[in-house]
Amino acid sequence: KAGVTQTPRYLIKTRGQQVTLSCSPISGHRSVSWYQQTPGQGLQFLFEYFSETQRNKGNFPGRFSGRQFSNSRSEMNVSTLELGDSALYLCASSLDFPGIVEQYFGPGTRLTVT
Amino acid sequence: GQQVMQIPQYQHVQEGEDFTTYCNSSTTLSNIQWYKQRPGGHPVFLIQLVKSGEVKKQKRLTFQFGEAKKNSSLHITATQTTDVGTYFCAGPIQGAQKLVFGQGTRLTINP
Repeated sequence: KAGVTQTPRYLIKTRGQQVTLSCSPISGHRSVSWYQQTPGQGLQFLFEYFSETQRNKGNFPGRFSGRQFSNSRSEMNVSTLELGDSALYLCASSLDFPGIVEQYFGPGTRLTVT
Repeated sequence: GQQVMQIPQYQHVQEGEDFTTYCNSSTTLSNIQWYKQRPGGHPVFLIQLVKSGEVKKQKRLTFQFGEAKKNSSLHITATQTTDVGTYFCAGPIQGAQKLVFGQGTRLTINP
């Protein structure tokens, strides 16, 4: 079974720009969660999608948004980038709620904002 | 809000020594998950504990879930260089709809 894939793997953007990251879950997994990982804050939950619906959201500003398509692939968008948005963005897929079953993480997208 | 605290933040050991990381929650957890992230890698699921007082072993790794289901530990016996990485515990909140991660314990090993 193919694992979770994320594109692009690396990205450099300028403050004020916007960015879209993509995640393809493991086949059959309908739940996709997004996390931001920084050295200081650890793994912070952004949001979770299931069957094209956002089921849960973390404590991030509205500049962070996402969506899920009918094939379970998911995208997250960050608008008006700030320096503090530099981080590793991880997506994870699972069969059900992430608090119930194991999650499979993708390799992440390393975003650098200059 | 509900928090999952993990200690220590860093641990450096000599190869062959034991290692333990502890995870504490401010509230009772329905289950707890453990993940390992190698340097430059992504978190990989290790195990999930569900029952009060549960103990599970994976080779040299021993996982425990406290009787009150508010704490957990991961113990590695006789560490090897392949054990290097950051170990995270994670607990569900909001009726298991969300997963909150501890800050992680970064393990480094002197060969």
